[in-house]
Amino acid sequence: DAGVIQSPRHEVTEMGQEVTLRCKPISGHDYLFWYRQTMMRGLELLIYFNNNVPIDDSGMPEDRFSAKMPNASFSTLKIQPSEPRDSAVYFCASSLAALGEQFFGPGTRLTVL
Amino acid sequence: AQSVSQHNHHVILSEAASLELGCNYSYGGTVNLFWYVQYPGQHLQLLLKYFSGDPLVKGIKGFEAEFIKSKFSFNLRKPSVQWSDTAEYFCAVNVRGRGYTDKLIFGTGTRLQVFP
Repeated sequence: DAGVIQSPRHEVTEMGQEVTLRCKPISGHDYLFWYRQTMMRGLELLIYFNNNVPIDDSGMPEDRFSAKMPNASFSTLKIQPSEPRDSAVYFCASSLAALGEQFFGPGTRLTVL
Repeated sequence: AQSVSQHNHHVILSEAASLELGCNYSYGGTVNLFWYVQYPGQHLQLLLKYFSGDPLVKGIKGFEAEFIKSKFSFNLRKPSVQWSDTAEYFCAVNVRGRGYTDKLIFGTGTRLQVFP
């Protein structure tokens, strides 16, 4: 298995632009998680899905952030409009069970100028 | 609120030194515990995990961790570190929140630097 796949690996954009991050979980994993990592706040859970349904989005910073999972093999995290404070590494992870081991993707390093 | 504390933010060691990284959590229920490692420029990988049974857990690359329920701790240890252990280490605890959603709470991480 190729593991969790994320794209793009790096994204540089200007403030106000829309940013879309993509994730393909490991086949057969029912849970998908989106995290944000910054120096100041560490690793934060933004949202997670079970069987394509959002279960807990309490970590989503504000309305500018939205996440979807249209099918079992694809999820997106969208920021619109983006702001410099959104600059971070965004990780996607998947797991077989909510309390099991999570497998992380390589991350997307987002820079908002 | 549930939280995970890693008191060592930055640890610097020489090769062959022993390592112990602290992890404490604040949650009174049944827990699953994890240690993840993030090598420079890479994604997080699982080092070891504890669900139940023997509280001394052995993971990859010679790492082990001990779950002490009375102290709410899950410290990571390695008897002799190598330069290749230079990385950031994250402790994580599962949480069963309101509405029975289950999520993993991560500590802020400990940066380990090992010098030859």
